[in-house]
Amino acid sequence: DAKTTQPNSMESNEEEPVHLPCNHSTISGTDYIHWYRQLPSQGPEYVIHGLTSNVNNRMASLAIAEDRKSSTLILHRATLRDAAVYYCILRARSNDYKLSFGAGTTVTVRA
Amino acid sequence: DSGVTQTPKHLITATGQRVTLRCSPRSGDLSVYWYQQSLDQGLQFLIQYYNGEERAKGNILERFSAQQFPDLHSELNLSSLELGDSALYFCASSETGGTEAFFGQGTRLTVV
Repeated sequence: DAKTTQPNSMESNEEEPVHLPCNHSTISGTDYIHWYRQLPSQGPEYVIHGLTSNVNNRMASLAIAEDRKSSTLILHRATLRDAAVYYCILRARSNDYKLSFGAGTTVTVRA
Repeated sequence: DSGVTQTPKHLITATGQRVTLRCSPRSGDLSVYWYQQSLDQGLQFLIQYYNGEERAKGNILERFSAQQFPDLHSELNLSSLELGDSALYFCASSETGGTEAFFGQGTRLTVV
């Protein structure tokens, strides 16, 4: 499985942007980049995904490097509700799009 | 509400027993995934099904088994339960393998 590397933790102030990096240097051309988050005591929640181009949705933006070896999840204005563990995951057709979670990045939002 | 339903929400059982956890995926979703999350631990991928067929296997113990039925619901069977099997068990579904996955609220299993 292609691996991802994320920082263990990040802190942000409320209403400020949060940029969460993810390195995936062994990504292959057909691997999708997915982001999920898990709030305390809840099941994981889909955030966003992309293949090559940058993506925006109501929750976040995903910026993908031109060589696709890294990506950044952008939360435009962090709220207290955004405090969660964020997971960057590669989903590959070669392994039937297995959805395998690593340690993720724990995001703390200060009021 | 993700549209994925897991039952029961809570389950308390004794060591050595067998339990069945049930997952109803979102309407139209063909892929189902099962995960185990022990206290303060990460999400461990157990197994994945697509339209009734097993597609990927993770760290699933031999005491555990799963299946996906023709109506696409899935069941995770845990047998010869041990104290260490106490965990949250999550089910997720997606339309196909590469699309976004939606998670249920989990079944909290306590083995005493």
